[in-house]
Amino acid sequence: DQQVKQNSPSLSVQEGRISILNCDYTNSMFDYFLWYKKYPAEGPTFLISISSIKDKNEDGRFTVFLNKSAKHPSLHIVPSQPGDSAVYFCAASVLYNAGNMLTFGGGTRLMVKP
Amino acid sequence: DSGVTQTPKHLITATGQRVTLRCSPRSGDLSVYWYQQSLDQGLQFLIQYYNGEERAKGNILERFSAQQFPDLHSELNLSSLELGDSALYFCASSVRAVAGRNTGELFFGEGSRLTVL
Repeated sequence: DQQVKQNSPSLSVQEGRISILNCDYTNSMFDYFLWYKKYPAEGPTFLISISSIKDKNEDGRFTVFLNKSAKHPSLHIVPSQPGDSAVYFCAASVLYNAGNMLTFGGGTRLMVKP
Repeated sequence: DSGVTQTPKHLITATGQRVTLRCSPRSGDLSVYWYQQSLDQGLQFLIQYYNGEERAKGNILERFSAQQFPDLHSELNLSSLELGDSALYFCASSVRAVAGRNTGELFFGEGSRLTVL
């Protein structure tokens, strides 16, 4: 039972254009939605997150949107740069007293072409 | 640099063997999490420890076990290894959940790549 899904395994975008990475979830109990970026041979690094009570969070070129009725978080990168090429994981978090339980999607490989 | 240290970075072993992966969390973090990533798939949650005690368990096989020591470092023990256990094993840490300040972020190490031949 995949509670978090990323249906696009890969995405190719031209430098300077917008990259839109999509995610879907099924569990209404998630507290936060997070995006992680992963380069080969490195661990995932946190990019941006959004609370389940918000619909938008922006940090520089990165904006995360949450369509709660559709259970659909998305990450927008604009303008896209070649250095953004990486695998992006959508994750959903349940907070509890001792920490956070993250459930990850399968990832989307973004390729930004110069 | 996330501040989470994992050793070894690479490990090659044979089926039936036993290995131990080690993780040192970020300074001050009490929670340690173990995740498995197989064949470019998503990260699967295995187990979480908080201040030495097991707090949450995911799809961890009975052949796998973990512990967190008083100095907060953690070890993941994988025994009776099978070919399918070949994967990247990530450790992550976080601060205790604090209302209003904890966004759910985990800090990941660079992973230990296990190859079972």
